[in-house]
Parts: sequence; structure tokens; C-alpha cells
Amino acid sequence: AQSVTQPDIHITVSEGASLELRCNYSYGATPYLFWYVQSPGQGLQLLLKYFSGDTLVQGIKGFEAEFKRSQSSFNLRKPSVHWSDAAEYFCAAGRMGGYNKLIFGAGTRLAVHP
Amino acid sequence: DAGVIQSPRHEVTEMGQEVTLRCKPISGHNSLFWYRQTMMRGLELLIYFNNNVPIDDSGMPEDRFSAKMPNASFSTLKIQPSEPRDSAVYFCASSPGQGTNEQYFGPGTRLTVT
Repeated sequence: AQSVTQPDIHITVSEGASLELRCNYSYGATPYLFWYVQSPGQGLQLLLKYFSGDTLVQGIKGFEAEFKRSQSSFNLRKPSVHWSDAAEYFCAAGRMGGYNKLIFGAGTRLAVHP
Repeated sequence: DAGVIQSPRHEVTEMGQEVTLRCKPISGHNSLFWYRQTMMRGLELLIYFNNNVPIDDSGMPEDRFSAKMPNASFSTLKIQPSEPRDSAVYFCASSPGQGTNEQYFGPGTRLTVT
């Protein structure tokens, strides 16, 4: 069955520290991969996406993610976290021809300490 | 572009009443999705449309829920009769299609059923 797993429910980092959020997927073929961010009381905003090509993709707000086929992973990273990055982050996967349906992970809630 | 528009942003109603949530997708997008988000169950896909046709409504929890997309620029999600357990944030998202998969979310409607 297709699935997206985010192993960490909550993560706390200090402002200025580096960040890595984990995402693993289970799919029949290489899916399209996405990271979304949800600030409190807001909808989900697309941070970045991977379709093919370069396995390191850059997104908005200084985020990047690396696709690793051998590990079925698509981890999100940021070198220096800002207090405004506190939010919930969702990893999602889809495939060509799937009516654009996405499978979402359960989310990782990020807290940032000053 | 105005993005995905949802109305109302907040709805408080009494148990047994009919509730109608509205969504205007991004112009030119051909897929539309309705999600429900709660603390207990996370983000759930309720139903999605492609070119105004319902493709999969297996996520609709009960017959009390119904959704329509009469044209490419408007969709409704109706709950009749509403129950307290329907309290949640309901999101609408649209996708441009052509296999790109990324979805763009609206700000959500926070529904409270008392």
C-alpha cells in the first residue's frame, strides 16, 4: 500500500540551529514528493516539490530537501531556523496519472526555542 | 491570483442544522479536493473532483456528507444534519493537473457544531 511516514511527531530546536525533518515513502514507483507547512490557523502552503532530475531541491523560506531513492526518503532541511519557522510540516507523495491525489504524512510539529 | 477561496471562514451551528461550505478553486485548475483536519485524525481526504466529476468519495464519512461541483469555479460541501463530531477545519485545495500534482490549499473553514 502507498504510504508516507513522518517518524517524528514533535521536534524542538533552538533558534539558529539546523533542522532536519524526516519523511519516508512507500510507493510502487518513484512518486512526486512535496513538503507543505501549516502555520497555526492557516492552510497548508507548498514549500517545495520534487518531480525528477536534481535530487536536491530548493524551496521557499530557505528550505531544501533531498530525495534519496535508496532510502525512500525525502528529508527537509534548513541550516538555521528562525522563530517564525515554528509550524507543522507535512510531507506528501503523488504519482503521474493519479488525478493529482496526494498521500500526506501525519505531520511533524516544530517548536523553536529562543 | 487570489488563490483558493473558502467561505465562510468560521461557522458555528447547532446540532441538526444543515451546513454548507463553499470553495472557489484557482482559475484553470482542473482538480479539486476537500479535506477535513482534526487533532485526533489529522488531515483526511474526503472527496476529490477532476474536471467537475467526482472521482473518489470513499473518504466521505457518512451519508450526511455530500459534495458537488456544478462548474469549474465552484464547489460545495454540505453536512445535513450536522453533529458535534463534525467539528473540524475543512480545507479545499485545487491542482492544475497535467500531472504536476501539487495542490494549493485554501485558508479553511473552522466548523463548530454545538
